[in-house]
Amino acid sequence: SAVISQKPSRDICQRGTSLTIQCQVDSQVTMMFWYRQQPGQSLTLIATANQGSEATYESGFVIDKFPISRPNLTFSTLTVSNMSPEDSSIYLCSVMEGGTEAFFGQGTRLTVV
Amino acid sequence: ILNVEQSPQSLHVQEGDSTNFTCSFPSSNFYALHWYRWETAKSPEALFVMTLNGDEKKKGRISATLNTKEGYSYLYIKGSQPEDSATYLCASGPGSARQLTFGSGTQLTVLP
Repeated sequence: SAVISQKPSRDICQRGTSLTIQCQVDSQVTMMFWYRQQPGQSLTLIATANQGSEATYESGFVIDKFPISRPNLTFSTLTVSNMSPEDSSIYLCSVMEGGTEAFFGQGTRLTVV
Repeated sequence: ILNVEQSPQSLHVQEGDSTNFTCSFPSSNFYALHWYRWETAKSPEALFVMTLNGDEKKKGRISATLNTKEGYSYLYIKGSQPEDSATYLCASGPGSARQLTFGSGTQLTVLP
């Protein structure tokens, strides 16, 4: 199994500012996934982060708004830029082991005021 | 069904009651069906990963069934306890898409 440390666990931010979320995995993984869950909605994939290449973004998500770094095989960051109240969500990072079971960080609960 | 759908959205039961909820998913190009339990302020935790039609898996008081032909899975909790209170997520995938598609979850509250 993989253990993922995600921080911060929660934050309240002013609109127009940016927040960077960090995830540290206890083992080397090829792909890391970043999800968002808006209130009452499904967990939605934002992007897939690969080490040594640009992240792959899903429809509706762009690099300027959600820049991602993946400097090595155990670490990744997601930045939520120029925040608005609509960005208030839970953000989760995840890895998949063996292509089957997913492991998650503890989540970042973001409130934008 | 194009998306993964879960019902009900929320559920309140009394301690000791048994309960179940549903996950519907696209039956075409099926790869695997996952169930996760997500407690507040904790990481989602895998309960089951199911791949075979007709499969049934059990972990303590929790069990799940899978019908890949009609595209649904049921999660059952027998004799619910307050510590079962959580959001239960199902997800389909990853398959060739290499990603999971999640439902919106069922929020279970077990009242003492």
